Amino acid sequence: QVQLQESGPGLVKPSETLSLTCTVSGGSISSYYWSWIRQPPGKGLEWIGYIYYSGSTNYNPSLKSRVTISVDTSKNQFSLKLSSVTAADTAVYYCARHMPTIVGATWLGRGPLDYWGQGTLVTVSS
Amino acid sequence: DIQMTQSPSSLSASVGDRVTITCRASQSISSYLNWYQQKPGKAPKLLIYAASSLQSGVPSRFSGSGSGTDFTLTISSLQPEDFATYYCQQSYSTVAFGQGTKLEIK
Repeated sequence: QVQLQESGPGLVKPSETLSLTCTVSGGSISSYYWSWIRQPPGKGLEWIGYIYYSGSTNYNPSLKSRVTISVDTSKNQFSLKLSSVTAADTAVYYCARHMPTIVGATWLGRGPLDYWGQGTLVTVSS
Repeated sequence: DIQMTQSPSSLSASVGDRVTITCRASQSISSYLNWYQQKPGKAPKLLIYAASSLQSGVPSRFSGSGSGTDFTLTISSLQPEDFATYYCQQSYSTVAFGQGTKLEIK
């Protein structure tokens, strides 16, 4: 059974960089796409970005200038860095795996999100 | 960017009711549409993928339909454990979620 676990500081000061790591167990990080998603308290889900195990990335345009996602296949981990944070970045941060899917006759590696971490609350405050 | 709009934003229903939630994409996304259920304090759970495929382990009272820009999630007979928030998500172009539909007990 694949399991994902987010880790990192729960409190970050304004203007600093938020750093989180997602550790994958029970399966390999190879051959999959992996995403970060966040959810401000009481609000909906916002996709932050994804990374392929090879290192290629794609980010939400609204966050692109501040986001870096990286992967370490030797540790079965991928990471998120979000710079210049403000109170608006306070949220529960989730990591998740994309399930490869066939849609019609097309194979999609970046399919739905089938495994999620439990989430970690990051508060931005001085 | 593709925008996803769900309706209604909230819904009150009773156990045993048939419920339908709608999701509309700002442009055609073929069948690249997924549905999730989220309960308070928990991560979202995948219910339906590719518009109409039931994820393993999900009860058959959940079903999805649609293609192009208009999609629906239907719960045929609400159970107590179904009261939650539901999100649609497109995987046609990167990733985007709808704003959510909160399903409450009437």
